[in-house]
Amino acid sequence: EAQVTQNPRYLITVTGKKLTVTCSQNMNHEYMSWYRQDPGLGLRQIYYSMNVEVTDKGDVPEGYKVSRKEKRNFPLILESPSPNQTSLYFCASIMTSGGPPSTDTQYFGPGTRLTVL
Amino acid sequence: GESVGLHLPTLSVQEGDNSIINCAYSNSASDYFIWYKQESGKGPQFIIDIRSNMDKRQGQRVTVLLNKTVKHLSLQIAATQPGDSAVYFCAESSSNAGGTSYGKLTFGQGTILTVHP
Repeated sequence: EAQVTQNPRYLITVTGKKLTVTCSQNMNHEYMSWYRQDPGLGLRQIYYSMNVEVTDKGDVPEGYKVSRKEKRNFPLILESPSPNQTSLYFCASIMTSGGPPSTDTQYFGPGTRLTVL
Repeated sequence: GESVGLHLPTLSVQEGDNSIINCAYSNSASDYFIWYKQESGKGPQFIIDIRSNMDKRQGQRVTVLLNKTVKHLSLQIAATQPGDSAVYFCAESSSNAGGTSYGKLTFGQGTILTVHP
């Protein structure tokens, strides 16, 4: 089954304690991206990756790091989490090769609810 | 489910009516636009996309209209059904140097659509 998985789905942590949210896709997609979603603000892109070892900043990259060492995984790293990073996080993957985008090639993960105390 | 729609624009329609959801975008360089649907407790789901060389694109029960002059995008849903109730987001992107449409994606605030039986 084609899917994007995120772990953990829920996490409560404390300020300053490093954490990693994993994202994995089994569709061999080139493009992967992380978003955060906050009430009234919609989705905001944190980082995206066009392919292995290629990453770039989105609209709100401060306080986050990412890596893309292999195509299937795109972890989101919070080196020193702060309360303002409490949010709902989504990972997404998209097939970008082989022609125009289509409805069959975009997938979002189920989301990770992070609370930083 | 978790509310992500505080203070968002809302649209209420009767089942069977047509719905029109509007979106204003800000970046004149954006050349690719996407509409997403997000149901409560789930990740966003791709609905339809359009490139800037088009004014209109139709899918199954949905039509996207693009007015580049006033930087306005709309999503029309025909014969709206209760299952269409969700938050709808538009997103804009600029083609990257490699020519693919997905680079930095910027999402709109979202509109809550409620369909009454």
